[in-house]
Amino acid sequence: QVQLVQSGAEVKKPGASVKVSCKASGYTFTTYGITWLRQAPGQGLEWMGWISPHTGNTNDAQNFQGRFTMTTDTSTSTAYMELRNLRSDDTAVYYCARGGYFDGYNWFDPWGQGTLVTVSS
Amino acid sequence: QSALTQPASVSGSPGQSITISCTGTSSDVGGYNYVSWYQQHPGKAPKLVIYDVTNRPSGVSNRFSGSKSGNTAALTISGLQAEDEADYYCSSYTTSSTLVVFGGGTQLTVL
Repeated sequence: QVQLVQSGAEVKKPGASVKVSCKASGYTFTTYGITWLRQAPGQGLEWMGWISPHTGNTNDAQNFQGRFTMTTDTSTSTAYMELRNLRSDDTAVYYCARGGYFDGYNWFDPWGQGTLVTVSS
Repeated sequence: QSALTQPASVSGSPGQSITISCTGTSSDVGGYNYVSWYQQHPGKAPKLVIYDVTNRPSGVSNRFSGSKSGNTAALTISGLQAEDEADYYCSSYTTSSTLVVFGGGTQLTVL
């Protein structure tokens, strides 16, 4: 079955960086995109961006002032998300989800289990 | 404040039908058929239940259906079951720089 498995929880200090991985299985990695989303504690969902493992093309939400980067490693079917210069309001559960091949706007399925990133001094 | 407006909570008894609304603008919900709905149980990752306004993914119960009229989309759950109790979020493509917007979520209680 299609499955996305994310790396474990992280605790970071303000100003540090975090890199979250998302390993895909059960489908051909390059035939779909990967979308990244986050959910702050007790809050709603926020779309961060999308990457095509096939082409490397990306779209992102323009909310992160250049702090956010997505990459993929097709040899291991793994996607990565890096967020730099962390602030306390970046504390959230970060999710990866499979998305469309051409863009990452209209469906996200399935989702990884989530990775809690806590930013605290 | 979320870009799409959903009611904070809805409730219904087992066997009844409920509808959750999701109101946006012509720049998102009203302008494109890229509306999707997600079910999230406490402590779990969201699950896609409707995409492209009306389409149901394989494996999702046909008790879930979606629709849209103007700038408002809706998720209807018929024959409510206890397992449907969860938070529900709508999302849409948007022409703004954020590209995708979500509603604030609706807590469904099955009485």
